[in-house]
Formats: sequence, C-alpha cells, structure tokens
Amino acid sequence: RKEVEQDPGPFNVPEGATVAFNCTYSNSASQSFFWYRQDCRKEPKLLMSVYSSGNEDGRFTAQLNRASQYISLLIRDSKLSDSATYLCVVIPNNAGNMLTFGGGTRLMVKP
Amino acid sequence: SQTIHQWPATLVQPVGSPLSLECTVEGTSNPNLYWYRQAAGRGLQLLFYSVGIGQISSEVPQNLSASRPQDRQFILSSKKLLLSDSGFYLCAWSGTAKGSRGNEQFFGPGTRLTVL
Repeated sequence: RKEVEQDPGPFNVPEGATVAFNCTYSNSASQSFFWYRQDCRKEPKLLMSVYSSGNEDGRFTAQLNRASQYISLLIRDSKLSDSATYLCVVIPNNAGNMLTFGGGTRLMVKP
Repeated sequence: SQTIHQWPATLVQPVGSPLSLECTVEGTSNPNLYWYRQAAGRGLQLLFYSVGIGQISSEVPQNLSASRPQDRQFILSSKKLLLSDSGFYLCAWSGTAKGSRGNEQFFGPGTRLTVL
C-alpha cells in the first residue's frame, strides 16, 4: 500500500461547480498535512496547510479525518484557473521535515 | 521575503556527460534544503536533503551526489549521466518563513533535464 494515495483523475468539471478530492495516508502517526498545486511543467506551490480543526481559504476548504486517515480538499465555484494537479502531502511522525507526496489528482475545469 | 533560484531552467545532455545543477535561497538563514526528481507523469521522489553546510543525507542510491558549500547553496551533481536520469529536478527549502509553521517546503522553478 502506498503511503499517500490519491485518485489520479482527471476530474472534469464545469466552471462554477464544486469539486472535492480525498487523499488517504497509511501512517496513523502522521502529524502534518498539506495540499500543493502543480501546474503543467511547473513547480509545486503550497496551496494550504491542513489543520486538525479544518481550515478555509476563500473558495478552498481542507479537512482532516484522523480516524479514517484521510484529508480532503473542497473547491467551490471552480474557475478555469483552478485547472491543475493537486498534490496531497503528509509528514509522518518522527520524519523531521520529510514530505511524502501523493501522486496527485488532476483537475480540469471546462467553460 | 524568501526566494529560491535554480539554474539552468532546461538542459539537454548526452549519456555519460557530467551534471551540475545549482540552487540558491535568499532571504532566510540556515534553511533545510532538498533535491527532488519528478519523472514524466510521476510523483516527486526525494533525492537528498541537508540541514546545514556540509551535511547531506541521501534518500535513494543512485549515480547522483549533492553538496552544500554555503548556507544557502545546494548543488546536485553527477559524474556520468544515465538515460534514466532524465526528469524534472526541483530544489526546495524549509525553515521559518513568515506565516508558516516551519515544516512547509517551498520549491524552486526546477530544471528540466533530458539525457539523450
């Protein structure tokens, strides 16, 4: 089983739609969680950290479910510019600052 | 604010040739530095990380090496490139950035390497 698993997609949604991605992680002692966004042929960019209580940043909402070992990303009112690959990232406990990346979920927002 | 630079942006090299990729960080002191490789259509693989000058840890055995001659400089090298070394090489840093908890990583623009 992979340490961090994501549905590769692609998720094809119309503009204005709400879309959600889930990501599961295998190490129950993982402590830190992030969502990164990667545009085609570009570097990953931090989208948001995921806190235990859940957090929201504009149209983006991240949730953590420790019992089921998954994190989620919800995007409301999708824009064409949201088209990208979304990477789920986990730091296992006792791993210092070592990030473990999921394979990414590709989102395509259509007009 | 902190910035991270990588060069070159793209590189085409023959099999068996040497490699040197450079990464520098500005606006922070004593960052943790990382080298990743992303093969086409694949996820990110951590190659090396460094917590200080001259301190390098390798995550995977390979024909690549890394060095950190200065606090904010990280170099990825190879004596002889293989076809399988082709990929997108990303440098990242972590540390105390404004508004962060210290363990987020921030990536440079990357070097796209093609070995022919």
